[in-house]
Parts: sequence; structure tokens; C-alpha cells
Amino acid sequence: GAVVSQHPSRVICKSGTSVKIECRSLDFQATTMFWYRQFPKQSLMLMATSNEGSKATYEQGVEKDKFLINHASLTLSTLTVTSAHPEDSSFYICSARPAKAGDTGELFFGEGSRLTVL
Amino acid sequence: DQQVKQNSPSLSVQEGRISILNCDYTNSMFDYFLWYKKYPAEGPTFLISISSIKDKNEDGRFTVFLNKSAKHLSLHIVPSQPGDSAVYFCAASRYDKVIFGPGTSLSVIP
Repeated sequence: GAVVSQHPSRVICKSGTSVKIECRSLDFQATTMFWYRQFPKQSLMLMATSNEGSKATYEQGVEKDKFLINHASLTLSTLTVTSAHPEDSSFYICSARPAKAGDTGELFFGEGSRLTVL
Repeated sequence: DQQVKQNSPSLSVQEGRISILNCDYTNSMFDYFLWYKKYPAEGPTFLISISSIKDKNEDGRFTVFLNKSAKHLSLHIVPSQPGDSAVYFCAASRYDKVIFGPGTSLSVIP
């Protein structure tokens, strides 16, 4: 099946620094990528929808200047957590929708990135 | 405003019996409904989906039923196996976004 790779899988940083997480579709082109955040024992919260070559669409309550999303190519989207604080510690997951989604509407998910801000 | 709801946070089922996970949605514009399975610290894995124009889709032990008039769908797993123990997320999709429900933690007891 289609593969989405997310990197890094774990990152620990100091408060005030910025962290970049990459999401790559390895064997298909993704016109749309989604970024989710999961808190412990909670659901996946959609943060933003990223379309190649255009600005990301952020969900209500998600700070655009805090979570910078860049979808530079059909196979790469990045999430940068700027000036990270301990409350930004979470599990961030990306997903990608193939340009030709077929009949299932399926999304393909990355493995997730665990961010810990000290 | 929660557009996708899974009202049962947890479910326990005996091995070999049927597991039924339920999901309700509010937006009639969704065109696909999907079920994902998730283990801790991993990304979700796709299980099965159904188009809004269908009422049933079956794949092996997994069957999804869609009742559009009730804005309700369910995932049936039969027979349930201990390896099915995980959190199951219902998701509803339009082309521009996918919304997940809060998840149901399924425990299959040997």
C-alpha cells in the first residue's frame, strides 16, 4: 500500500526553540495533506489542511503563526512548531490523500512524531 | 461543535463474538466514511471505508453499515480476535478535510 513517512519520530527540545516535522508521501503524489495533533487518551484533532502550492487552511483555534505549514511539493509537507512551549508537547500525525484517491477516500498516515518540549 | 461522534469510549467483547462500534455524524455533506485502527504511539491504519452512496461494505471480518437518514454508521467485526484490541476511530470525509471521532477503545477478551 501507499507509504507516508514522517520524520523525526521523536524530538525533544528546549522551550523557545523551533521544531520542524516533515511528512513525505513516498510512492504517490499528494495534492492534499492533513496535520493532526493527538493528546493523551484523546482523539486526533485536525489542525490544518495543506494544499500543494497554496496556503494551509487552519482549523478554528489553531494558531497560524505558531504552527507553520508548508506544502512545497506534491510529496512533502512540513509542520514547524515555532517558539515551542511545554504545552505544545504532543503526538503530531500527518496524513496524505493521493491525487487520485480512487474509490475508498482513504487517507494514508505517517507514523507520527512525538514532540516533548522541556 | 463535534461533527463526528462515537458515544462509547470503550467496549469489551469476548473472543469469537461480534464487536459493534458505532458512529454518528451531523454534516450531510460528507462523501466518505472511514474506520481506522490505532495502537498507542503509532499512526492510524486504515481498515475499511464506505461511500455515501452505499449502505454496506464488507472486507473479510469487517463490515461497515451506513444509514444516511439517521446519519449513523457502524463497524462490525466478526469474529473478534484479541489482536483487534485497539482504539477505533470513525472518520468522515469531504475532499477538503477529514474529521475524526473521539475513538472507541475495543478490548477483545481471550
